[in-house]
Amino acid sequence: NAGVTQTPKFQVLKTGQSMTLQCAQDMNHEYMSWYRQDPGMGLRLIHYSVGAGITDQGEVPNGYNVSRSTTEDFPLRLLSAAPSQTSVYFCASSYSGGENTIYFGEGSWLTVV
Amino acid sequence: SQQGEEDPQALSIQEGENATMNCSYKTSINNLQWYRQNSGRGLVHLILIRSNEREKHSGRLRVTLDTSKKSSSLLITASRAADTASYFCATDGMDTGRRALTFGSGTRLQVQP
Repeated sequence: NAGVTQTPKFQVLKTGQSMTLQCAQDMNHEYMSWYRQDPGMGLRLIHYSVGAGITDQGEVPNGYNVSRSTTEDFPLRLLSAAPSQTSVYFCASSYSGGENTIYFGEGSWLTVV
Repeated sequence: SQQGEEDPQALSIQEGENATMNCSYKTSINNLQWYRQNSGRGLVHLILIRSNEREKHSGRLRVTLDTSKKSSSLLITASRAADTASYFCATDGMDTGRRALTFGSGTRLQVQP
């Protein structure tokens, strides 16, 4: 099983550019989420989804959009990149039942110059 | 806001020694989980302890939970160089209403061979 797959692994953007981080999972998980990780900090929740067609904001949603058209995919869009969005981004998924053990992708390193 | 705060922020020990990391949190929880992150990789689930449990073991890992003090500890016994990683506690809060964990800032563990 591939688990949670994120692309791209690395990306450099210029301020003001837009881009989409792709995320796909093959475990038929209902719940998916995006986190960002900054140096010396834990992971902060950007957006999450409890199922296809349903999304909601997390702790730090500003500057990001998400959509969930299928169970498998949960892309994260940066609308107009800013240097403050330089970070490592992690996509994650989990079952709707159970105890909310989360499965993470390998991360996407984004630099905004 | 950060729910879990780990202590210490960094820990360096010799192979064979035990490593203890602590986590404090602020709100009532359903469970508390520990994750490991190797450098440049995603997070991997290690162990989960429910709010009605006080101690749990998994191989060389021992987790304790004190809900009255809102704290948890992770003990890695007989450490190995391969245990070198960052360790994060994460809480599944009762008040969030969503299936997304709240992470602490992590403990960086260095195990010297």
